[in-house]
Amino acid sequence: GQQLNQSPQSMFIQEGEDVSMNCTSSSIFNTWLWYKQDPGEGPVLLIALYKAGELTSNGRLTAQFGITRKDSFLNISASIPSDVGIYFCAGHLRSQGNLIFGKGTKLSVKP
Amino acid sequence: GAGVSQSPSNKVTEKGKDVELRCDPISGHTALYWYRQSLGQGLEFLIYFQGNSAPDKSGLPSDRFSAERTGGSVSTLTIQRTQQEDSAVYLCASTGQAQGTGELFFGEGSRLTVL
Repeated sequence: GQQLNQSPQSMFIQEGEDVSMNCTSSSIFNTWLWYKQDPGEGPVLLIALYKAGELTSNGRLTAQFGITRKDSFLNISASIPSDVGIYFCAGHLRSQGNLIFGKGTKLSVKP
Repeated sequence: GAGVSQSPSNKVTEKGKDVELRCDPISGHTALYWYRQSLGQGLEFLIYFQGNSAPDKSGLPSDRFSAERTGGSVSTLTIQRTQQEDSAVYLCASTGQAQGTGELFFGEGSRLTVL
């Protein structure tokens, strides 16, 4: 079945740093989405991308839908402590109903 | 409430017992999803309901797993003869026609522990 390769698996951030994570797939998607999950909660949608090449911002978050339709990245600028959590990429193919998720990138604060 | 509601929030059961997990989607949402999240893992698709169409059951890991959605609203995920590897958080999500494709609203999940 389709799989999404998300990297990095984890990273430590210091307040004020920029953060970047990405997702790749062996097959194309019609929609790319990025979700964030806090402990004990369900994932919450951050950004949705619907067109190849689309670059979308939501506050300090910026995400892009790759031209090949097989990849996407998420950037977080000037990170703050509440950015910690697990970020998931997700892809959707119009011919299918389900949403495929990556394994997540865990953001933690540098000790 | 206004969000997706799941119950129970926590369930501890013995191996071999059956369990039922309930999901109450956002009112008016036509699509409902079940995902499973094992410790430290991503979300594994289980089943998808869309309106009155036949559900997409392609993600159910074995015939011990089943789900139904009554009246196009509440859904129940049933796991029969539970095994230890069934221990995970089971997440339900819903979405409606007002949302874009893939824009899911998740509940807080039901944490299942099989002893």
